Amino acid sequence: GQQLNQSPQSMFIQEGEDVSMNCTSSSIFNTWLWYKQDPGEGPVLLIALYKAGELTSNGRLTAQFGITRKDSFLNISASIPSDVGIYFCAGTNAGGTSYGKLTFGQGTILTVHP
Amino acid sequence: EAGVAQSPRYKIIEKRQSVAFWCNPISGHATLYWYQQILGQGPKLLIQFQNNGVVDDSQLPKDRFSAERLKGVDSTLKIQPAKLEDSAVYLCASSYSGTSGSGGDTQYFGPGTRLTVL
Repeated sequence: GQQLNQSPQSMFIQEGEDVSMNCTSSSIFNTWLWYKQDPGEGPVLLIALYKAGELTSNGRLTAQFGITRKDSFLNISASIPSDVGIYFCAGTNAGGTSYGKLTFGQGTILTVHP
Repeated sequence: EAGVAQSPRYKIIEKRQSVAFWCNPISGHATLYWYQQILGQGPKLLIQFQNNGVVDDSQLPKDRFSAERLKGVDSTLKIQPAKLEDSAVYLCASSYSGTSGSGGDTQYFGPGTRLTVL
């Protein structure tokens, strides 16, 4: 089945630093999503990407849909302590018979030191 | 707008016992999902309902897991009998239609039920 590989697995950074993480797939997706999960909570959608090559921003977050449709990148600028959490990428081939089924990566654990 | 509600939040059982989880999706959401999230991994889809019909249960271990969504609203997920490897967080999510990658199909997750099987 489809697999997503996220890297890095964990990051320890200082407040104010920029963060980059990426996700690669063994197969093509037509939609890429980035979620954040806080302890004891479910994942919350941060950014959705619908076109190959698309670059989308949400505040300090910027994500890109790779041209090959097999990868995506998430950048966080000027990190703050509340950015701490687990970041997941997810891919889907929405439409047709797939009904929006999401395949998740294994997550990147982000720790921000004040 | 109320979010996805799940109960219980925590459950501890012994292996071979049975357990059930309950989910109430966001009002008006036609699609409901159950995910299993093992510690250190991303969520894995177990089953997806469109209204009260199943559209994908390919990754549901049907010998021990069952789920239903009567009347197309609330849903229950049951495990009988539980195994040690079932220890995980069980997440419920809902979306408006689940058919395409538009903003209206965003999956909203509940807080999950943390299951520990001893």
